[in-house]
Amino acid sequence: DVKVTQSSRYLVKRTGEKVFLECVQDMDHENMFWYRQDPGLGLRLIYFSYDVKMKEKGDIPEGYSVSREKKERFSLILESASTNQTSMYLCASSLIPFTDTQYFGPGTRLTVL
Amino acid sequence: QKEVEQDPGPLSVPEGAIVSLNCTYSNSAFQYFMWYRQYSRKGPELLMYTYSSGNKEDGRFTAQVDKSSKYISLFIRDSQPSDSATYLCAMGPSDMRFGAGTRLTVKP
Repeated sequence: DVKVTQSSRYLVKRTGEKVFLECVQDMDHENMFWYRQDPGLGLRLIYFSYDVKMKEKGDIPEGYSVSREKKERFSLILESASTNQTSMYLCASSLIPFTDTQYFGPGTRLTVL
Repeated sequence: QKEVEQDPGPLSVPEGAIVSLNCTYSNSAFQYFMWYRQYSRKGPELLMYTYSSGNKEDGRFTAQVDKSSKYISLFIRDSQPSDSATYLCAMGPSDMRFGAGTRLTVKP
């Protein structure tokens, strides 16, 4: 059974804190993605990675960075959290980018106070 | 104008009804069309995958793509309370674009 796991289901942080969201997949997928999901806006791509140490900006990369040191792990970093980054964050992985099934993790609900 | 438009609902139907969920899009380069189902407090999971135009059926679910109208649909026959979820359309390639999701409730 394929699996994408995320480090936390719920997270509460304060404005200005550095936040790390971790994602691990066990399917040996090359491609991994970070999205945020907001009501009425759907899923918006923040960053994706098609290989270890490779990353590409998505539609809304501002205020975020990523790290992919190992194939199975993709981290999203909020350098200085702000209230407008309160959202649901979803990690996904796929065999082929953008034309193949994406397998999603359960999501991290981040609240920035 | 958003690349993908999807009515967020909410949509409430009685058990056994036929449900029609729709998305429109503006980018004629889209070739791959997907429907994801997302239960509350879970990540989305792929429900249907269609390439180019036409219909695809899987049990109670039918996906339709009309590229000439830039319109895709998901039909659910004999809807069940377990179908209650948010349904997101998605399309690619080169970029994956998701609709905002339609929240569906099927009442017993």
